[in-house]
Amino acid sequence: AQLVQSGAEVKRPGASVKVACKASGYTFTAFYIHWVRQAPGQGLEWMGWINPDSGATNFAQKFQGRVTLTWDTSISTAYMELSRLRSDDTAVYYCARGPQSRHSAEWYNWLDPWGQGTLVTVSS
Amino acid sequence: QSVLTQPPSVSGAPGQRVTISCTGSSSNIGAGYDVHWYQQLPGTAPKLLISGNNNRPSGVPDRFSGSRSGTSASLAITGLQAEDEADYYCQSYDRRLSGSVFGTGTKVTVL
Repeated sequence: AQLVQSGAEVKRPGASVKVACKASGYTFTAFYIHWVRQAPGQGLEWMGWINPDSGATNFAQKFQGRVTLTWDTSISTAYMELSRLRSDDTAVYYCARGPQSRHSAEWYNWLDPWGQGTLVTVSS
Repeated sequence: QSVLTQPPSVSGAPGQRVTISCTGSSSNIGAGYDVHWYQQLPGTAPKLLISGNNNRPSGVPDRFSGSRSGTSASLAITGLQAEDEADYYCQSYDRRLSGSVFGTGTKVTVL
């Protein structure tokens, strides 16, 4: 299994960014996809997940209303769109495969594998 | 403001044993949710090291081991090697937040 993400982005404050995560080596709809970000020199921050099989999504409270998770099963690709960007959104954004879609999200929820990361820089 | 607390740094000489703690609460680790551990080498994506408290994925050396008790978990590295110098993160689920949570991260330095 492998996840390959889209390239680095530079955005102005207030704009939106959409990061792609293409899966290969497994059945895309069989597993959750999680999104995690890491600001420069900081730790990992969980953002949310999608279940490509059921269509369910879940987000961390701080991202509610600003993040949209979508997917295209035909090309095994998940997307994370973050709107109303601020300078503190500058970070590396990762996608990662979560538990099998048939499981409840809170169990078997280790993340493996991870995408290579996408650097999003927000600057005026 | 992570809900899982780790020591900022630990260090040890080659060959020594080091442990990293991950302290949570009754809404995450204490509620029985599994703890997973990741290793992040400089400039790379995190890599799964331990799943389900104490399971090593294929390819992970048996020098790495995990445990969970009460509201805490631990990662132990025995026979420390220079290549183990990295950042380590724990992860669990929090039912109050209804989502996954990561620890604050620990930098391991090999002296």
